[in-house]
Amino acid sequence: DGGITQSPKYLFRKEGQNVTLSCEQNLNHDAMYWYRQDPGQGLRLIYYSQIVNDFQKGDIAEGYSVSREKKESFPLTVTSAQKNPTAFYLCASRGVRITEAFFGQGTRLTVV
Amino acid sequence: QKEVEQNSGPLSVPEGAIASLNCTYSDRGSQSFFWYRQYSGKSPELIMSIYSNGDKEDGRFTAQLNKASQYVSLLIRDSQPSDSATYLCAATGILTGGGNKLTFGTGTQLKVEL
Repeated sequence: DGGITQSPKYLFRKEGQNVTLSCEQNLNHDAMYWYRQDPGQGLRLIYYSQIVNDFQKGDIAEGYSVSREKKESFPLTVTSAQKNPTAFYLCASRGVRITEAFFGQGTRLTVV
Repeated sequence: QKEVEQNSGPLSVPEGAIASLNCTYSDRGSQSFFWYRQYSGKSPELIMSIYSNGDKEDGRFTAQLNKASQYVSLLIRDSQPSDSATYLCAATGILTGGGNKLTFGTGTQLKVEL
């Protein structure tokens, strides 16, 4: 089946630890996005990538890093510099001629 | 001013009634608009898209767009308890580095009561 797969579904991070969230799509979409969702705040854009080997900061990129080495993959690293990482993280993708974005199932990250 | 604004609700309607969800946006350059439904703890699911002024119907859902007023709405007819969710309005915009982004409102929580 075509779609976007995020893993893991739940992730726990210790203080000072870096963690990486996986996002893979087999929709042949060029653009991929990472959003963060906190209660009552909607979705905020962290990073986006329009093509392989290129990515740009979104509205809240501090404390996060990404890579786009393959069209299918857009992993997000939450670094120790992100002081409040507990949130629901959503990966999305869009095709060149498709304006709708489709989401993965999300990763819920909790600091312990 | 937020780029996309929605009333957070909750909006409560009885089963079988029409639910009306509203959204305003600030970027006059936005060309495409979307409604996503999000159940608690789940990811958003696209339910409607609209690109031109007027109404667009799909089953029990009708999206309405008025670009002059920068207003988008979603009507849900014959509301069912399974429609209880948070509805996110989204609008396209231009990213600083080029390309398009989707800007989301904070969502309106809908509760359909038996």
